[in-house]
Amino acid sequence: AQSVTQLGSHVSVSEGALVLLRCNYSSSVPPYLFWYVQYPNQGLQLLLKYTTGATLVKGINGFEAEFKKSETSFHLTKPSAHMSDAAEYFCAVSAAGGSQGNLIFGKGTKLSVKP
Amino acid sequence: NAGVTQTPKFQVLKTGQSMTLQCAQDMNHNSMYWYRQDPGMGLRLIYYSASEGTTDKGEVPNGYNVSRLNKREFSLRLESAAPSQTSVYFCASLAPRDTQYFGPGTRLTVL
Repeated sequence: AQSVTQLGSHVSVSEGALVLLRCNYSSSVPPYLFWYVQYPNQGLQLLLKYTTGATLVKGINGFEAEFKKSETSFHLTKPSAHMSDAAEYFCAVSAAGGSQGNLIFGKGTKLSVKP
Repeated sequence: NAGVTQTPKFQVLKTGQSMTLQCAQDMNHNSMYWYRQDPGMGLRLIYYSASEGTTDKGEVPNGYNVSRLNKREFSLRLESAAPSQTSVYFCASLAPRDTQYFGPGTRLTVL
């Protein structure tokens, strides 16, 4: 069975500061890992994903995440926050190729960016 | 290529009324999903369909029914709406490597 824990339901950073959103997962099989972003009153948009290969994954809008198997983590980072990054971010996990594509989502982290 | 579309965008119901939420995708995906999103709860899977003609329960199926009308369309029905079903509903379809693409959502209020 899979599960996802996102540490911090709200994170606030200043514009230009580092963004770090934490995600830890539990999976009994090799996982696929995802970050989705949701802007106010919109649907979820895929930000980046790890399936196989390189453990450092780059996504849209300057975000990246690193799969660390030993730490069961997939934290999301961005070197310099922009006002337009204010949104809610969801980490998700699936059982690679064996779960009929079913994703387990974390509860989300709302990112605020202060001017 | 519209991706995943949902109708309606907003709906207000009275307790006991019924309605159907529509979802369609034009990406030729086999699997489709219905989720509900509530504050602080993330997304919870209601039902999914791995292929045309099949449906399976997710985490929170009670009070809902679904129909996979064809490969493109997957509808969600509330037979007798309750205030606890006030939520935002998202439909998604599945691309390779478990990547799901989401529709814009339906905001439902049950009074």
